[in-house]
Amino acid sequence: DIQMTQSPSSLSASVGDRVTITCQASQDISIYLSWYQQKPGKAPKLLIYDASILEAGVPSRFSGSGSVTDFTFTISSLQPEDIATYYCQQYENLPLSFGGGTKVEI
Amino acid sequence: QVHLVESGGGVVQPGRSLRISCEVSGFSFSGYAMNWVRQAPGKGLEWVAVMSYDGTKEDYADSVRGRFAISRDNSKNTLYLQMNSLRAEDTAVYYCAKPAGFELAYYFDYWGQGTLVTVSS
Repeated sequence: DIQMTQSPSSLSASVGDRVTITCQASQDISIYLSWYQQKPGKAPKLLIYDASILEAGVPSRFSGSGSVTDFTFTISSLQPEDIATYYCQQYENLPLSFGGGTKVEI
Repeated sequence: QVHLVESGGGVVQPGRSLRISCEVSGFSFSGYAMNWVRQAPGKGLEWVAVMSYDGTKEDYADSVRGRFAISRDNSKNTLYLQMNSLRAEDTAVYYCAKPAGFELAYYFDYWGQGTLVTVSS
């Protein structure tokens, strides 16, 4: 099974800051990685798939990069509405697995 | 517009059973594999199970294998999760999730609002 290690588990930043989250896979997952945003009491929302492709309608301040085992998610200029928990997910193989999440606070 | 609506959650005693459902609309349900993902209170996301578009293939997380059973009725656009021998650690919000593509392993472009299952005596 593929384990996803996400860091940090939480961070505090200011409006306008650049925020970076990393996700490491326990084995090669090529580019089969997605990122989700989850706000309290809501379902997750897809932001990025195939490691770097922005889902339609998602603001361009969100971006992703990486391949094989090491991946990065970036918010270029943090906005108040970006306060949420972010998760990575691998879909190279079953069982699907998620990172532990990163809670972003201001 | 795509909609996924879960139902059937509630409070159940340890060792008992519960079936939850997910009724979908707005896309061709019979053309996609479907998944269940859960989230324990204050915890992260955990994939639970997947069923192929035609119901011939299924897979489970080790934590539920042998206790949970995923099924679907394509004539009713509905996905099910039969949960048996429930444990306190199964307490979670259960989401159904639609993959963006046709593989069993995929990312999810639509999620339901979730249904809360609480296992407690």
